[in-house]
Amino acid sequence: DADVTQTPRNRITKTGKRIMLECSQTKGHDRMYWYRQDPGLGLRLIYYSFDVKDINKGEISDGYSVSRQAQAKFSLSLESAIPNQTALYFCATQAANTGELFFGEGSRLTVL
Amino acid sequence: QQQVKQSPQSLIVQKGGIPIINCAYENTAFDYFPWYQQFPGKGPALLIAIRPDVSEKKEGRFTISFNKSAKQFSLHIMDSQPGDSATYFCAGRSGSARQLTFGSGTQLTVLP
Repeated sequence: DADVTQTPRNRITKTGKRIMLECSQTKGHDRMYWYRQDPGLGLRLIYYSFDVKDINKGEISDGYSVSRQAQAKFSLSLESAIPNQTALYFCATQAANTGELFFGEGSRLTVL
Repeated sequence: QQQVKQSPQSLIVQKGGIPIINCAYENTAFDYFPWYQQFPGKGPALLIAIRPDVSEKKEGRFTISFNKSAKQFSLHIMDSQPGDSATYFCAGRSGSARQLTFGSGTQLTVLP
């Protein structure tokens, strides 16, 4: 089983719909992240959380929200999806001692 | 503001060639420079990393060269193989929060 699991892996939705991407981890890390990947733009940070009570905005948080339900679960929501939110989304955990990031396999979202 | 500039965006080499991917950074607070490798359909994974007090680091066929005064670092892949075909991301890490800022990525294709 993967250490960082994202669901769904693929989702097609329409403009204006609410979408939730879920992430769960078995690595026992406190730190979790949501990134967005677009061709030519690399990985951009949306939100991050250092523990259940700590939520922080990244560089592109507008139009997104997150919830840290437990140490192992971190979900990303798009309240009203728009086409320019079409992208590949990655959840990651971070080892506190080394700083290494461990990524899930990604959730590909298409907004029509 | 792009704090880590990566080039080229794509690179094609023959098997056995030595692809070189370059990154330049602006933030002098960066204290750790990892490279992540991403295969199609997978999340990025840590490949190799270097600290700014070292000018070169080798792990197998992968070498990072680091020039602190120029604020540049590069990844060299010796004797490249088709299995090295992937997207490569450089990054810089700053602060006690250990957040990573990624470059825009390089899609490498190694032809058989």
